[in-house]
Amino acid sequence: EVQVLESGGGLVQPGGSLRLSCAASGFTFSSYAMSWVRQAPGKGLEWVSGISGSGDITYYTESVKGRFTISRDNSKNTLFLQMNTLRAEDTAIYYCAKELSGGWPFDCWGQGTLVTVSS
Amino acid sequence: QSALTQPASVSGSPGQSITISCTGTSSDIGAYNYVSWYQQHPGRAPKLMIYDVSNRPSGVSNRFSGSKSGNTASLTISGLQAEDEADYYCSSYTIIGTPVFGGGTKLTVL
Repeated sequence: EVQVLESGGGLVQPGGSLRLSCAASGFTFSSYAMSWVRQAPGKGLEWVSGISGSGDITYYTESVKGRFTISRDNSKNTLFLQMNTLRAEDTAIYYCAKELSGGWPFDCWGQGTLVTVSS
Repeated sequence: QSALTQPASVSGSPGQSITISCTGTSSDIGAYNYVSWYQQHPGRAPKLMIYDVSNRPSGVSNRFSGSKSGNTASLTISGLQAEDEADYYCSSYTIIGTPVFGGGTKLTVL
């Protein structure tokens, strides 16, 4: 069964850091691009960052550039999101998502991990 | 990249058909045939319902269909059922190589 499972969320103060992880199973991890998508409380979906299957190409939404870093360890089937200089507006459920094919359709999502930025 | 535009809400009675629109620009929906649709029930993760404008992943009911004309994509649900009540989001690939989501549409089954 194709699965992804996020971890690492929690409460952090403004300006703090957090590292999210996403463990993948049931598919050839290195063959697929992966992304992080977030959803603020009561709001819609927002794509945050993506990475190619090999890990050599990364993408970010404008509001997190310079603060967030996406990476992957294909030997451990794990995706990461290092989040620095966190702001209140980064508060959201963060989902790990697997790309089905080109054009970023996401066919497998985790259950999400909640990140709360508050003092 | 601005979010795609969706109606905040739509509604329909069981058995009816409804259509949700998703309006973008020539830099996203109008530029590629890479439109996806997601269903999200409260407290649950999104589920892919349509990709590449009109393709259904394995296991998705054929009551769900997608189309596109110019800068606007549409999701049609026929034979509406109570379990279809959920939030629906469109998404499109953009000319800068990243995806953009719509604001979401709440579907109510009357």
